[in-house]
Amino acid sequence: RKEVEQDPGPFNVPEGATVAFNCTYSNSASQSFFWYRQDCRKEPKLLMSVYSSGNEDGRFTAQLNRASQYISLLIRDSKLSDSATYLCVVNRRGGATNKLIFGTGTLLAVQP
Amino acid sequence: NAGVTQTPKFRVLKTGQSMTLLCAQDMNHEYMYWYRQDPGMGLRLIHYSVGEGTTAKGEVPDGYNVSRLKKQNFLLGLESAAPSQTSVYFCASRASTDTQYFGPGTRLTVL
Repeated sequence: RKEVEQDPGPFNVPEGATVAFNCTYSNSASQSFFWYRQDCRKEPKLLMSVYSSGNEDGRFTAQLNRASQYISLLIRDSKLSDSATYLCVVNRRGGATNKLIFGTGTLLAVQP
Repeated sequence: NAGVTQTPKFRVLKTGQSMTLLCAQDMNHEYMYWYRQDPGMGLRLIHYSVGEGTTAKGEVPDGYNVSRLKKQNFLLGLESAAPSQTSVYFCASRASTDTQYFGPGTRLTVL
């Protein structure tokens, strides 16, 4: 079983739709959580960190449920420019440094 | 401020050849990382460094070596390339926070 699991998609949604991605992680030692965005053939870029209290950044809302080891990302009013792969990432501290564990990503395609 | 840069962007090798990938960052970050990304696998950590002169193994270190002689540079070496090392390689760096900043990647094909 992978340490971080995501539905690979693709999620095909029309512009303006609301879409939600889920992610589960298996290691309870995970200490911090992120969503990264990766455009086709580009590097991953941090979209937002995820906090237990939930956090919002414009049209994006992230939630963390530590008890269920579950992370979510909600995108409201989808834009064409939101089309990308969304990577769920957990930070596991151990040894000399933290280690980021990446999910395989969820592909979002926003249709006109 | 260029952030994290990687050279080369693309490379094709024959089995058994060697090469070095260069990662450079101008953000004075202590920590640097090398990942590979393969379809259906997510990014996997190859090696990392917590400071100049130090390196450590990640999740998939076999077949690779690294060096961090200068704080701003982190080199990834393949001594004898194999087709299984065909991948996209990303370098990343970070300061004291958890956020890692990635370079644009190197696409390597081993024939």
